[in-house]
Amino acid sequence: AQSVAQPEDQVNVAEGNPLTVKCTYSVSGNPYLFWYVQYPNRGLQFLLKYITGDNLVKGSYGFEAEFNKSQTSFHLKKPSALVSDSALYFCAVRPHTGGFKTIFGAGTRLFVKA
Amino acid sequence: DSGVTQTPKHLITATGQRVTLRCSPRSGDLSVYWYQQSLDQGLQFLIQYYNGEERAKGNILERFSAQQFPDLHSELNLSSLELGDSALYFCASSGGGQGPYEQYFGPGTRLTVT
Repeated sequence: AQSVAQPEDQVNVAEGNPLTVKCTYSVSGNPYLFWYVQYPNRGLQFLLKYITGDNLVKGSYGFEAEFNKSQTSFHLKKPSALVSDSALYFCAVRPHTGGFKTIFGAGTRLFVKA
Repeated sequence: DSGVTQTPKHLITATGQRVTLRCSPRSGDLSVYWYQQSLDQGLQFLIQYYNGEERAKGNILERFSAQQFPDLHSELNLSSLELGDSALYFCASSGGGQGPYEQYFGPGTRLTVT
């Protein structure tokens, strides 16, 4: 079965430190990969996506993500965390074939402490 | 502002009732997606429409139905409501169907079933 795993329910990091939010997936072929962020009482916002090519993808608000094909991972990173980055982060995967479905992970809550 | 609008913002109703949630996609977007977000189940994909046709189905209950109209707006109908249906319902849209299209989420409709 196709799935997306975000192994950490919560990530805690101090402001100014680098952050990583992990995502691994189990999908056949080479899927499209996405990260979304959700602030309280808001809908999800698109951060970045991987289609093909360079394994390091840059997105909004200084975030980037690293695609690793051998480990089927797509970890979200930021060199220096801000308190305002505190939110719920979702990894999502869309297979190239087999339908239109996007599979979302369970979400990881990021807490950045001042 | 994502450009996706959802009405109403809040809905309080009783068990056994029926409600309709409405979504207008971003201008030019052909795909509409519906999601349910609850505290214990995370973000659950319900259904997707592309240019008026159903294209993907997720964990949508038989009591729920949806459609996309010729003007591309979409409605999600929830009937015989149960307490467990209380959740945030999100609509999202994207430019295309199957492909590396990110989704743009509306602000959501918070449904409370009493």
